[in-house]
Amino acid sequence: AQSVAQPEDQVNVAEGNPLTVKCTYSVSGNPYLFWYVQYPNRGLQFLLKYITGDNLVKGSYGFEAEFNKSQTSFHLKKPSALVSDSALYFCAVTPSGNTPLVFGKGTRLSVIA
Amino acid sequence: SAVISQKPSRDICQRGTSLTIQCQVDSQVTMMFWYRQQPGQSLTLIATANQGSEATYESGFVIDKFPISRPNLTFSTLTVSNMSPEDSSIYLCSNRRSSNMNTEAFFGQGTRLTVV
Repeated sequence: AQSVAQPEDQVNVAEGNPLTVKCTYSVSGNPYLFWYVQYPNRGLQFLLKYITGDNLVKGSYGFEAEFNKSQTSFHLKKPSALVSDSALYFCAVTPSGNTPLVFGKGTRLSVIA
Repeated sequence: SAVISQKPSRDICQRGTSLTIQCQVDSQVTMMFWYRQQPGQSLTLIATANQGSEATYESGFVIDKFPISRPNLTFSTLTVSNMSPEDSSIYLCSNRRSSNMNTEAFFGQGTRLTVV
């Protein structure tokens, strides 16, 4: 069965500094990987995905993530954090195109001005 | 991107009662999914709802407690039956498009349920 680990419950970063939110996964076969963001009282918003191709994928709001097959990781990054990036971030994986996503427990990002 | 409308957005319910949550998608989709997000927790899949067949439930979830309907390719409902305070959660519906299985999943804004 597939699983996702987000080892950090909370990440704090100063505004303007780079941020990284970590994610590792376990899945049979080639993974479909996703990042979502959840703002208070809002649903999940899609940020980016890796299906195939370049290991570095770019997404919404300046976020990017790097797929590393050997380390089974898909860390979310942003070169310069904004206070408005403060939210709950979820990494998700699925083994195919027609199966539901399995989510990590989430990482709360706090960007401090 | 798909637009998913979910209602109600929130409700406060008495224990022992039932609540039906509706999910409307703006285009036809093969698969719809229902998730639960308990306070401070991640999303847990309740069931997969396919049109024309019974929903497939994950371990720990049963049809008597969470009956699901999927009458067509754009609509689904989840009922939380005989509610107790432990059912207080955010419930979210989600879909993946039938035309391209490589797409991301889209989510409704969620239903915040409080059982008192």
